[in-house]
Amino acid sequence: EIVLTQSPGTLSLSPGERATLSCRASQSVNNNYLAWYQQRPGQAPRLLIYGASSRATGIPDRFSGSGSGTDFTLTISRLESEDFAVYYCQLYGSSPTWTFGQGTKVEIK
Amino acid sequence: QVQLVESGGGVVQPGRSLRLSCAASGFTFNTYAIHWVRQAPGKGLEWVAVISYDGSNKYYADSVKGRFTISRDNSKSTLSLQMNSLRTDDTAVYYCARTGGGYSYGDYWGQGTLVTVSS
Repeated sequence: EIVLTQSPGTLSLSPGERATLSCRASQSVNNNYLAWYQQRPGQAPRLLIYGASSRATGIPDRFSGSGSGTDFTLTISRLESEDFAVYYCQLYGSSPTWTFGQGTKVEIK
Repeated sequence: QVQLVESGGGVVQPGRSLRLSCAASGFTFNTYAIHWVRQAPGKGLEWVAVISYDGSNKYYADSVKGRFTISRDNSKSTLSLQMNSLRTDDTAVYYCARTGGGYSYGDYWGQGTLVTVSS
């Protein structure tokens, strides 16, 4: 079973700054089947990125995903107020089940 | 537009049962696998179960295997989660989520329903 480890646990940044979130898998991820979600307080998760680097429908281009194998990154180029939230990476596709990382909270500094 | 609406949550005593529902609209329900994901208060996301588009295949997290049953009624565009022998650590918001195709990522999520297991 592949384990996803996200870092850092919390990222304290100011609006306009760049955010870099990491997701590391314990084994290589097949076909880069790695997704990223945003979850604002009191809301359901929202799909941002799938296939490690493809933006979901309606997602602003300040969000980008990269990586392959075991190391993946979500980058938010310039933080806006609505981007302060918790972000999860997710493994899918190699089996019917889903595996989530523990999350990274992006908070206002 | 795609909509998923969960219902059935509430407060239940340990050892009792509860049945959650997820009503789908805005897409061809019988062509998508659907997942249940839960989130304990203040915690991260935990995958619970998935059912194939036609209901023929079901998979469960070890934490709920043997206690929870996922099912679907494609004639009513409805997903269900029968939860038996509930424990206090089952307390969570339960979300249903549609896959993007096959057994892929979750492209649409419901708003969730809260289940509280407490005596």
